[in-house]
Amino acid sequence: GAVVSQHPSRVICKSGTSVKIECRSLDFQATTMFWYRQFPKQSLMLMATSNEGSKATYEQGVEKDKFLINHASLTLSTLTVTSAHPEDSSFYICSARDEGGGGDTEAFFGQGTRLTVV
Amino acid sequence: GQNIDQPTEMTATEGAIVQINCTYQTSGFNGLFWYQQHAGEAPTFLSYNVLDGLEEKGRFSSFLSRSKGYSYLLLKELQMKDSASYLCAVLDSNYQLIWGAGTKLIIKP
Repeated sequence: GAVVSQHPSRVICKSGTSVKIECRSLDFQATTMFWYRQFPKQSLMLMATSNEGSKATYEQGVEKDKFLINHASLTLSTLTVTSAHPEDSSFYICSARDEGGGGDTEAFFGQGTRLTVV
Repeated sequence: GQNIDQPTEMTATEGAIVQINCTYQTSGFNGLFWYQQHAGEAPTFLSYNVLDGLEEKGRFSSFLSRSKGYSYLLLKELQMKDSASYLCAVLDSNYQLIWGAGTKLIIKP
């Protein structure tokens, strides 16, 4: 089945530094990928929709200059948390839909990245 | 607005059956997903329903009634490893996934 690979799985960084998270679709092409954030004991929250070859669409309340998204190819989207602060510590998950023929709209998730900012 | 409701927490006994309900009100409907999420891990896909009726996959079954805006996930022969959160999500008319808050399922011996 389709696989989405997300890297790194865990990262600890100092306050003020930037962290890049990669999301790759391994055996399918994804023109659209989704980035979610999950705080402890809360549901997944959609941060932004990443579109290959164009600007990402950010949800209300998400700072686009802080969470930089680049979707440079049909198999790779990156999320960069710039000038990270302790309140950015969270679980970040990417998702992509296999939009290939057959009408299958199942969404596949990366393994998630647990970011801790100290 | 768009809304998905599911119980916050449920408790069941090992070997028993449990049904987790999900009701939704969304702008358009292109399918409903159930995901399982263990603590600290990403969600994993369980089922996808787009037509009314019951879809069975081993110990897990999922039911959908579009006219009622209702779905349930049925877990049979519960095992301790089934202790997890179960997330209901609806694909709306813009193909955006709208998530429920999740149901924490606690399995007791």
